[in-house]
Amino acid sequence: GAGVSQSPSNKVTEKGKDVELRCDPISGHTALYWYRQSLGQGLEFLIYFQGNSAPDKSGLPSDRFSAERTGGSVSTLTIQRTQQEDSAVYLCASSFRPAPAGGHGDTQYFGPGTRLTVL
Amino acid sequence: GNSVTQMEGPVTLSEEAFLTINCTYTATGYPSLFWYVQYPGEGLQLLLKATKADDKGSNKGFEATYRKETTSFHLEKGSVQVSDSAVYFCALGDSNYQLIWGAGTKLIIKP
Repeated sequence: GAGVSQSPSNKVTEKGKDVELRCDPISGHTALYWYRQSLGQGLEFLIYFQGNSAPDKSGLPSDRFSAERTGGSVSTLTIQRTQQEDSAVYLCASSFRPAPAGGHGDTQYFGPGTRLTVL
Repeated sequence: GNSVTQMEGPVTLSEEAFLTINCTYTATGYPSLFWYVQYPGEGLQLLLKATKADDKGSNKGFEATYRKETTSFHLEKGSVQVSDSAVYFCALGDSNYQLIWGAGTKLIIKP
């Protein structure tokens, strides 16, 4: 596609419910990233995929958070038993390749985000 | 660990004023540096980037120079417009693929 797409754009849920957030990366991009942007704060890294595998899950804030990627394309971020502190904008980004060792990061392209509100 | 610090906002300027948004970083190795912009109601967009010391990134009249000696990547524009009103984020790309973000600086341009 032309850019990274995310769905839904807005999600309102009740505390304790599970939610699934979807990300469609740019076609051909092997790396996919999830971030969280809380009100008035910068972005917080959650997880990164290279292909279908996630080399580093350390950014996930708790075991209620999980993510998967299938077919090297679409990714789903799942939050179980949502809490009010989970309310934020969840952003997905993709890049052609991940940063190689040595530190020259490849450009990440962002989707419009999913605004999650937990009541 | 790696970190990014940028000036707090909001920054309020009149149209055609000169803009500087300061960004400094702490990093090991040789990171890439980025400025992203988030216009009202829109997603994050890459504004410009620099991948090594003394590189200058530029786009839409904005510039930033990667200064290793001062660990800085300040964003500048000679004459801002109302349409530049947005939130600007400085970010660092480290060797572990993450982007490390500053807190963002809200820019308000008044006609």
